[in-house]
Amino acid sequence: EIVLTQSPGTLSLSPGERATLSCRASQSVGSNYLAWYQQKPGQAPRLLIYHASSRAADIPDRFTGSGSGTDFTLTISRLEPEDFAVYYCQQYAGSLPWTFGQGTKVDIK
Amino acid sequence: QVQLVQSGAEVKKPGASVKVSCKASGYTFTTYYMHWVRQAPGQGLQWMSMINPSGGAAIYPQFQGRVTMTRDTSTSTVNMVLSSLTSEDTAVYYCASGGRGGAFDIWGQGTMVSVSS
Repeated sequence: EIVLTQSPGTLSLSPGERATLSCRASQSVGSNYLAWYQQKPGQAPRLLIYHASSRAADIPDRFTGSGSGTDFTLTISRLEPEDFAVYYCQQYAGSLPWTFGQGTKVDIK
Repeated sequence: QVQLVQSGAEVKKPGASVKVSCKASGYTFTTYYMHWVRQAPGQGLQWMSMINPSGGAAIYPQFQGRVTMTRDTSTSTVNMVLSSLTSEDTAVYYCASGGRGGAFDIWGQGTMVSVSS
């Protein structure tokens, strides 16, 4: 099983600031099949990034995914009020079970 | 529009079984694998299982013997039955379609399953 470790657990920032979220895998993620999701309270997760760096439909360009192998990053260039949420990374490579990180909460400073 | 609509909330006693349904619309049902993900109260996301809606083959490596997944192509519906429920199965259960190269681009609204004596 590939274990994904996200850091930090909580990120306290102000609107307009840059957010950098990390996701580290216990072994290499095949074909960089790594996704990022945003979840707000009471809502289902929403896909932001797939294949490590491809933006999903209708996702603003302030969201950028990068990385490969075992180290991945989600960057939000300038935080908007609606970006304060919990973010999860997920690997969906060949090895089962597919796994999620434990999440990073981005809250308002 | 493209959407997944799940069945309603359930309250079950320990040892019972629960069936959660997920109806797809707005796209070709048999094109993408369907997945189930659960989230215990205040916790993170846990991938549970997946089914190929085309052939019906299902995989649930961590829930062997407790999960049964079926699909009905005539109604574009996937069903998941979780048996031998315990309090640790209390969670919101989501279905999700793996339409973005396997990543989950469409999610159902979630179904709350509560297990309590």
